[in-house]
Amino acid sequence: KQEVTQIPAALSVPEGENLVLNCSFTDSAIYNLQWFRQDPGKGLTSLLLIQSSQREQTSGRLNASLDKSSGRSTLYIAASQPGDSATYLCAGLSEKLVFGKGTKLTVNP
Amino acid sequence: GAVVSQHPSRVICKSGTSVKIECRSLDFQATTMFWYRQFPKQSLMLMATSNEGSKATYEQGVEKDKFLINHASLTLSTLTVTSAHPEDSSFYICSAQTQETQYFGPGTRLLVL
Repeated sequence: KQEVTQIPAALSVPEGENLVLNCSFTDSAIYNLQWFRQDPGKGLTSLLLIQSSQREQTSGRLNASLDKSSGRSTLYIAASQPGDSATYLCAGLSEKLVFGKGTKLTVNP
Repeated sequence: GAVVSQHPSRVICKSGTSVKIECRSLDFQATTMFWYRQFPKQSLMLMATSNEGSKATYEQGVEKDKFLINHASLTLSTLTVTSAHPEDSSFYICSAQTQETQYFGPGTRLLVL
């Protein structure tokens, strides 16, 4: 049974700082790993999707990596901005899409 | 492209009543749709997988007679919470799949009084 864990549960940083969010999964037989953003009371916005054959994906200030052998993925956010404040979820797709509990990020002006 | 809508966005109902939530893929056809539930500070949990024209597949612990799913067309799936109780209060999110990628709706906040 796939389990996805995200560390830390919450993170508060000053504006401009680079930061890393961590995601680990127990079943390495995943098809892909996806990072989402969720604003309070809202649905999910897909940020990056990494296929199992890929090592990383980049979009603007975001970079996500995937290491299947160690069961880990990281989301790197460069030059953080207050608008980046949200909960970030990772999800691994094997038999079904399994989500972590998320990391609540607060970027302080 | 790949927009998914949900209606309503928020609903408050009395205990014992039934509530229907719609999930629509607006610009693509989805043979498979998924229903998730999210409790506060918890992760999204898959409730059921809905395939057009066939019965939904429910996850373990999800009552199929309580959470009725209908996937009548390639662009519409509905979730009906029957005889809702306060413990059913949650955030319900659907997703629609195309080309092995799930696109998520904005969610429906259900509050049962």
